[in-house]
Amino acid sequence: GENVEQHPSTLSVQEGDSAVIKCTYSDSASNYFPWYKQELGKGPQLIIDIRSNVGEKKDQRIAVTLNKTAKHFSLHITETQPEDSAVYFCAASIGGTSYGKLTFGQGTILTVHP
Amino acid sequence: GAVVSQHPSRVICKSGTSVKIECRSLDFQATTMFWYRQFPKQSLMLMATSNEGSKATYEQGVEKDKFLINHASLTLSTLTVTSAHPEDSSFYICSASRDITNYGYTFGSGTRLTVV
Repeated sequence: GENVEQHPSTLSVQEGDSAVIKCTYSDSASNYFPWYKQELGKGPQLIIDIRSNVGEKKDQRIAVTLNKTAKHFSLHITETQPEDSAVYFCAASIGGTSYGKLTFGQGTILTVHP
Repeated sequence: GAVVSQHPSRVICKSGTSVKIECRSLDFQATTMFWYRQFPKQSLMLMATSNEGSKATYEQGVEKDKFLINHASLTLSTLTVTSAHPEDSSFYICSASRDITNYGYTFGSGTRLTVV
């Protein structure tokens, strides 16, 4: 089955700096890669996603890049703010079927210091 | 946008009793719903996948007789933890999708289960 590795496990940055979180996946059939933000005691919230027919996607301060050949994808957050502090998870799935279950990375605790 | 409602948000039950958690898609029909379990400071682990009107598919190591999943309609799935024990205490999260190819997954807000 799919295996997703996520690094780093913790990331501490100063407000205004950029933050980068990286993930690798094992199953070359995976074609959907979402990123989620989870705050304490809440469910994950989708912040951005990318499909395998795209190499990069951007939404304001957040961007995701995908390298299918190397089987890795990254989350980039620019101009970080204290409210960006949370746990971030990457995930991968084989979409296009009704059984496209998500496999999650281990999570990254991001702390943005004011 | 797609909204998934999960209830209750917190529940405390006595050891040996059963607890039911509901997951509803409010503004779309969910062809597939997923149930996850999350221990403190850990990632989400998929427990089972359910499609409306059919039996749930459980992940390896998940006891189907202990974690009963029912997906009776396109908007409702339930997870019942039977004969709960303290080790079942965890954060349970559901997600739903109407079309993974085009719409992805929407997660509920989670249920904190504490078994005393």
